[in-house]
Amino acid sequence: GQQLNQSPQSMFIQEGEDVSMNCTSSSIFNTWLWYKQDPGEGPVLLIALYKAGELTSNGRLTAQFGITRKDSFLNISASIPSDVGIYFCAGQQYSGGSNYKLTFGKGTLLTVNP
Amino acid sequence: GAVVSQHPSWVICKSGTSVKIECRSLDFQATTMFWYRQFPKQSLMLMATSNEGSKATYEQGVEKDKFLINHASLTLSTLTVTSAHPEDSSFYICSATDRGIYEQYFGPGTRLTVT
Repeated sequence: GQQLNQSPQSMFIQEGEDVSMNCTSSSIFNTWLWYKQDPGEGPVLLIALYKAGELTSNGRLTAQFGITRKDSFLNISASIPSDVGIYFCAGQQYSGGSNYKLTFGKGTLLTVNP
Repeated sequence: GAVVSQHPSWVICKSGTSVKIECRSLDFQATTMFWYRQFPKQSLMLMATSNEGSKATYEQGVEKDKFLINHASLTLSTLTVTSAHPEDSSFYICSATDRGIYEQYFGPGTRLTVT
C-alpha cells in the first residue's frame, strides 16, 4: 500500500526555536494536509494544501506542497510550549464514488522545553 | 461548526464480548464517515469508509465480520467490535465529511481496552 515517509520521528527543541518537518511519498496526492494530535485526542487540521507548489501560512505555521505532489514540509516558527504534540502529514486521494481517503505519515513527536 | 463526537471516550470490556462505539456529527450532515485505528505511538490507519445508507468499504486486512459498521443516518455511524480480543485494544477515531466538502473532521477518539 501507499506509504508516507515522515521525518524526523521526534524533535526536542527549546522554546523560541524554529522547527521543520517533512513528508515524502512514492505516490501523487491531490491534497496534502498537516494535522496535530494531542495525547488522547483526535487530530486537528492545521493546514491544507491543494495546489502543487502552494505555500500556505497559518499563524506561526508554514507549509508547502511540492511541485511533484509527492512531498511537503511544515515549518513552525518561534515555538511555544503548547506546540508540544504529534504532527502528522496526510495525503488525500480519490478512492471511488464520491469518496476521498487519507493516508497518514507516521508522525513527528515535538517536545518544546520552556 | 463541524464538530464530531464519539461515545464512549473510553471503554473496558472482557475478551469475547462485543462493544459498540458511536460517532456523531453534531452540526452538519455527514455523507461519509471514516473509521481509523491507532495503536500506541503509531499512525492512524484507515479501517473503513461508510456512506450513509450503504455498506461500508473496508481496507485490505480489516475483517468486516469483526468490525461491523452501520451508517444509518446522516449524523450517526457506529462501529461494533465483535468478539473482542486483547489485540483489538487500541484508540479508535472516526471522521466525517460534509456534503460537497471533502475535509474530514475528526472525533476525539475512543480508547478500547480488552482484558
